[in-house]
Amino acid sequence: NAGVTQTPKFQVLKTGQSMTLQCAQDMNHNSMYWYRQDPGMGLRLIYYSASEGTTDKGEVPNGYNVSRLNKREFSLRLESAAPSQTSVYFCASRTGDNEQFFGPGTRLTVL
Amino acid sequence: LAKTTQPISMDSYEGQEVNITCSHNNIATNDYITWYQQFPSQGPRFIIQGYKTKVTNEVASLFIPADRKSSTLSLPRVSLSDTAVYYCLVGGPLGDSGGYQKVTFGTGTKLQVIP
Repeated sequence: NAGVTQTPKFQVLKTGQSMTLQCAQDMNHNSMYWYRQDPGMGLRLIYYSASEGTTDKGEVPNGYNVSRLNKREFSLRLESAAPSQTSVYFCASRTGDNEQFFGPGTRLTVL
Repeated sequence: LAKTTQPISMDSYEGQEVNITCSHNNIATNDYITWYQQFPSQGPRFIIQGYKTKVTNEVASLFIPADRKSSTLSLPRVSLSDTAVYYCLVGGPLGDSGGYQKVTFGTGTKLQVIP
C-alpha cells in the first residue's frame, strides 16, 4: 500500500497562474481532506469530502476548488494563485475509527 | 467545533516521562480526543485516541478525566526522536457511513527533547 500520495512535491507559481494539486489514497477510505499549513502554524482545513461525489467547505476555502473524482482521488485547484496561498498543502484520508492518514505534502510558493 | 488549548512548547531530557495536557472545555457528547505527532517537513501521524478513562498503546498513554474537559498525553521515556509538534484534536462522531468529521488542528505543542 502506498497510503496517501500527493503530486507535485514542490511548485513555484507566479501570481495569477493556476494549478491543480493531486491526491490519491489506496486504503478505500470514504473521507478525504485538504489542509494548508503556514510556517509555525497548525493545519487549517480547506475542503473535505465525506464520500465520493460530495465535497464541503472547511475553515479556509476562499481561492480554492476541489473535485472528488472517484473514491481514490481528491484534487485541489487554485484558479488564480496569490502570494497569500504560499503554504504547504497536505491531503489526508480517514478511517471509520477516526484515524487520518496524511500525504507527504506539496510545498507551494507563489511569487 | 470544540476549541482546544495546549502549551505552546515544552522541553524534556532524554529518558524522562513527558505529559502534555490539552484543555477542551466545550467537548460534545459524541466527540473523541485524538493526538497527532508531526515532524518537520512531514504530515501529521496518528498517535492515540480515546473517549474516556485511560487508553494505552505501544507508543503512548492517554488519560481522560470523568468530566472529559481535558486530556493528557503521556510519552514514557522520551528520546531525541520524539522531538516534534504534538496536536490535540477533538471531534466526532466516529464512523465511516458517509458522515464526516470536522476537526481543528490548533497550533500544537512543540516538544524539544534534550540530550
